[in-house]
Amino acid sequence: AQSVAQPEDQVNVAEGNPLTVKCTYSVSGNPYLFWYVQYPNRGLQFLLKYITGDNLVKGSYGFEAEFNKSQTSFHLKKPSALVSDSALYFCAVRDMDNFNKFYFGSGTKLNVKP
Amino acid sequence: NAGVTQTPKFRVLKTGQSMTLLCAQDMNHEYMYWYRQDPGMGLRLIHYSVGEGTTAKGEVPDGYNVSRLKKQNFLLGLESAAPSQTSVYFCASSYSEGWGRGQPQHFGDGTRLSIL
Repeated sequence: AQSVAQPEDQVNVAEGNPLTVKCTYSVSGNPYLFWYVQYPNRGLQFLLKYITGDNLVKGSYGFEAEFNKSQTSFHLKKPSALVSDSALYFCAVRDMDNFNKFYFGSGTKLNVKP
Repeated sequence: NAGVTQTPKFRVLKTGQSMTLLCAQDMNHEYMYWYRQDPGMGLRLIHYSVGEGTTAKGEVPDGYNVSRLKKQNFLLGLESAAPSQTSVYFCASSYSEGWGRGQPQHFGDGTRLSIL
């Protein structure tokens, strides 16, 4: 079975500090991994994806994510957090047996304090 | 460019009532999805469609039906609403993998549904 896990319900960081939001995955074969962000009362917005190639992928709004096959992780990072980054972040994996399905993590609430 | 539009945005139903949620996308996407979002559980796939006239079950299909009579529209129906269906419902759409691997999903802003 395919799945992703986000071990932290909430992450608190100070503005200007680096941030990391964690995601681990369980899939058969090589995964397609995604990060989305959700602002209050809005739908999810795509940030970045890993399909193949370079383990460090760059996305929107200065975010990047590091794919680590040995640790089955895909952590979201940003070198310097902004208050406006405060939101709910979801990791997702594509079902490699049925490409039409995605599995989402439970979400991590990021709080960036001024 | 509106993207993915969901109607209505809010609705309160009584147990046993029926209703239909409408999703419309203007990006000519082949794939469309319905999810429900519950606190602490992320998004769970209800039904999806890979093209006009086709639908398939996701993780939590019971109590819901869907139809995709036109490529741009994907309807989610609740035949007899139950309190357990109180949730936020999201529609999403994407291109097929034929346009390139790892097509991201585009989401609407959700429908907040309460069943009393």
